[in-house]
Amino acid sequence: DTAVSQTPKYLVTQMGNDKSIKCEQNLGHDTMYWYKQDSKKFLKIMFSYNNKELIINETVPNRFSPKSPDKAHLNLHINSLELGDSAVYFCASQTGGGTDTQYFGPGTRLTVL
Amino acid sequence: AQSVTQLGSHVSVSEGALVLLRCNYSSSVPPYLFWYVQYPNQGLQLLLKYTSAATLVKGINGFEAEFKKSETSFHLTKPSAHMSDAAEYFCAVSSSGSARQLTFGSGTQLTVLP
Repeated sequence: DTAVSQTPKYLVTQMGNDKSIKCEQNLGHDTMYWYKQDSKKFLKIMFSYNNKELIINETVPNRFSPKSPDKAHLNLHINSLELGDSAVYFCASQTGGGTDTQYFGPGTRLTVL
Repeated sequence: AQSVTQLGSHVSVSEGALVLLRCNYSSSVPPYLFWYVQYPNQGLQLLLKYTSAATLVKGINGFEAEFKKSETSFHLTKPSAHMSDAAEYFCAVSSSGSARQLTFGSGTQLTVLP
């Protein structure tokens, strides 16, 4: 069983389009995250939700909007895609406090043409 | 504020040689420290973590790391490299409090030569 899953794995789209990436975790965790990994492999947190409540919202363009319909799902919607949005987006989940492990999904490679 | 610096974006070792990947941290509070590994086209997997218990932490696949407060370091080692260890390695520090935010280093690409 996959602990943290993301769909789609690859996403190729044109500039200006709107797209969504879905994330689901079956670990029963309370907290979920979205990270962006750029072409130089640098990982940066974008958002975090705890029990469907937004708790971390880094400096991210408001074209990016996370949605958490329930504790097990955290989706990422991106409006008006730009070339610079091309990256790998990772979802992760965690339970408990700062010592606990974050479990990562396999990533979604977004390419904006 | 917290940050992590990984020295050496690329490290090459011969199969069977010692692996040493360097990580230095900066944190205003006692940190929690992590090493993650990323294999090509995959997500990140936890290798080991330091949570203020033993300073020498053993992880999966024969890796270990030692927390040295005086040097603000958390270097990752493995006595004998295997071809399957070739991957990207990330050091990360966790904030205290409820935010539980991970801050990652820039990563080190490990190449294992036959």
